[in-house]
Amino acid sequence: LAKTTQPISMDSYEGQEVNITCSHNNIATNDYITWYQQFPSQGPRFIIQGYKTKVTNEVASLFIPADRKSSTLSLPRVSLSDTAVYYCLVGETYGQNFVFGPGTRLSVLP
Amino acid sequence: DGGITQSPKYLFRKEGQNVTLSCEQNLNHDAMYWYRQDPGQGLRLIYYSQIVNDFQKGDIAEGYSVSREKKESFPLTVTSAQKNPTAFYLCASSPHNDEQYFGPGTRLTVT
Repeated sequence: LAKTTQPISMDSYEGQEVNITCSHNNIATNDYITWYQQFPSQGPRFIIQGYKTKVTNEVASLFIPADRKSSTLSLPRVSLSDTAVYYCLVGETYGQNFVFGPGTRLSVLP
Repeated sequence: DGGITQSPKYLFRKEGQNVTLSCEQNLNHDAMYWYRQDPGQGLRLIYYSQIVNDFQKGDIAEGYSVSREKKESFPLTVTSAQKNPTAFYLCASSPHNDEQYFGPGTRLTVT
């Protein structure tokens, strides 16, 4: 199973770009990389998913280098409401072969 | 209005009692999952099901049981054999090879 490593916590200020990196050295060929956001006492919410190179949607970008051993979630111009825990998930979501990372607690300060 | 629901939001039980947590989805998803989350920790997989009448143990299945008699429903029973049942329980569903959709969670307290 592909394990992941993320920073435990990060601080940022409103309006800044935040980059959170996840290491997954043992990622398998069929694994996708998925990021979720979780607010206290709520279920996680999907942010973005990718397999390789770069993926962008309306809330974030995901950068994946060619070797796929890491990935970086980029949040442009964060606001106070982006304060949450961000999880890196690696694996096939349809089945047991996936692992939630420990999560990165992002604090956005005014 | 499609989604995944869990009930109740808060549940209190005495030690030694079995308790069943409800999870229902009307998203027509084949796969459903149960996770446990302890304070300040990440999610740990308890059980998952890919199709009706089939389910597999996750990383921490001991002390838990599930059933999948209908596509829409995946109830989790926390038995008295679970040593530390107090936790936040999250249910999720997903279509094949796609993102998971999580319910709002049930916070179980056992005293």
